[in-house]
Amino acid sequence: EVQLVESGGGLVQPGGSLRLSCAASGFTFSTYSMNWVRQAPGKGLEWLSYITRSSATITYSDSAKGRFTISRDNDKNSLYLQLNSLRDDDTAVYYCARGPMPGRFVFDPWGQGTLVTVSS
Amino acid sequence: EIVLTQSPGTLSLSPGDRATLSCRASQRISSSYLAWYQQKPGQAPRLLIFDASSRATGIPDRFSGSGSGTDFTLTISRLEPEDFAVYYCQHFATSPWTFGQGTKVEIK
Repeated sequence: EVQLVESGGGLVQPGGSLRLSCAASGFTFSTYSMNWVRQAPGKGLEWLSYITRSSATITYSDSAKGRFTISRDNDKNSLYLQLNSLRDDDTAVYYCARGPMPGRFVFDPWGQGTLVTVSS
Repeated sequence: EIVLTQSPGTLSLSPGDRATLSCRASQRISSSYLAWYQQKPGQAPRLLIFDASSRATGIPDRFSGSGSGTDFTLTISRLEPEDFAVYYCQHFATSPWTFGQGTKVEIK
């Protein structure tokens, strides 16, 4: 079964840092691009960052640029998101999602998400 | 940045009704770059439709997608109780890969 499991969320003070992880199983992780997407409470989906199979190409949304860093370890089948200088409006569920791939422009599957709460 | 505008914001319907959800892009995009997702409370989004009109694996045929250019539609032919959820469109035309704000399909 293809599965993505996020971890690392929690309560952090404004200005703090957190490192999120996404463990992949059931597929050859090194052959897929990956992404992070977040969802603030009661709000819609916001794409944050993308990384290609070999980490050769990385892109960020404007809201993630300069504060968040995506990375991956193909030997550990894991995706990461380093969150720095956190603000109250970074409070959200953070999802990892597989894709896209040539000829199939989708995010599929998604992990169950990990909640990050930024509050003093 | 391409903005996707979904309408209506909320659709109040009964089981058995037909649901028509709209996703309008701020500029033309290839159909290959348009996907739809379903999200139920407390769950992650689930892929429904890719290439604007192709159903993902395991998605019932009551779900269909259509459209081109700037106007795309998700249709649920006959609503089942499990279809009441929030639906999002997403594009992959250019970075950032934005989502629409979502349409909530609720029980009337």
